[in-house]
Amino acid sequence: RKEVEQDPGPFNVPEGATVAFNCTYSNSASQSFFWYRQDCRKEPKLLMSVYSSGNEDGRFTAQLNRASQYISLLIRDSKLSDSATYLCAVNLPAGGYNKLIFGAGTRLAVHP
Amino acid sequence: ETGVTQSPTHLIKTRGQQVTLRCSSQSGHNTVSWYQQALGQGPQFIFQYYREEENGRGNFPPRFSGLQFPNYSSELNVNALELDDSALYLCASSADRMNTEAFFGQGTRLTVV
Repeated sequence: RKEVEQDPGPFNVPEGATVAFNCTYSNSASQSFFWYRQDCRKEPKLLMSVYSSGNEDGRFTAQLNRASQYISLLIRDSKLSDSATYLCAVNLPAGGYNKLIFGAGTRLAVHP
Repeated sequence: ETGVTQSPTHLIKTRGQQVTLRCSSQSGHNTVSWYQQALGQGPQFIFQYYREEENGRGNFPPRFSGLQFPNYSSELNVNALELDDSALYLCASSADRMNTEAFFGQGTRLTVV
């Protein structure tokens, strides 16, 4: 089983749609959680850290369910500019340090 | 901009050669991690350097090695290049080895022919 798994996608949605990405992780010792956005052939950019209480940043809402080892990202009112790959990342304790483990990413294509 | 810079941006090497990739971390960050991202995959952790010492390593062979310098910049060296080493190599800098928040450089795209 992979340490971090995401919906494979791609998701093709019209502008204005609401889209949800899911991510599960296997190690209950995971300490912190992130969503990154990656444009084609570019580096991942930190979109949001994910907190236990859930957090919102404009059209983006992230939620964490530690009991189910599940993270989600909701994008409301999708824009063409939201088209990208969304990577879920989990910070895993590894003996004196943490390492970031990424899912394979879910590609989103928003069309007019 | 993250303040993390990598060089070169693109590189073509022949199988069996050696390559050195460079990364300058964000000001105030003492931790650099390196990742390999193959096409269609998420970044895979190679290793992490904290205050000039390697303090963690992923599932990569010893021909992947690195250094961190007193100014916290870092190098990734790959010996005996294989075709499967073709990938985007990313470095990420963070303010601590717990990766409270990690910021990536633009990456080096390595092609091995």
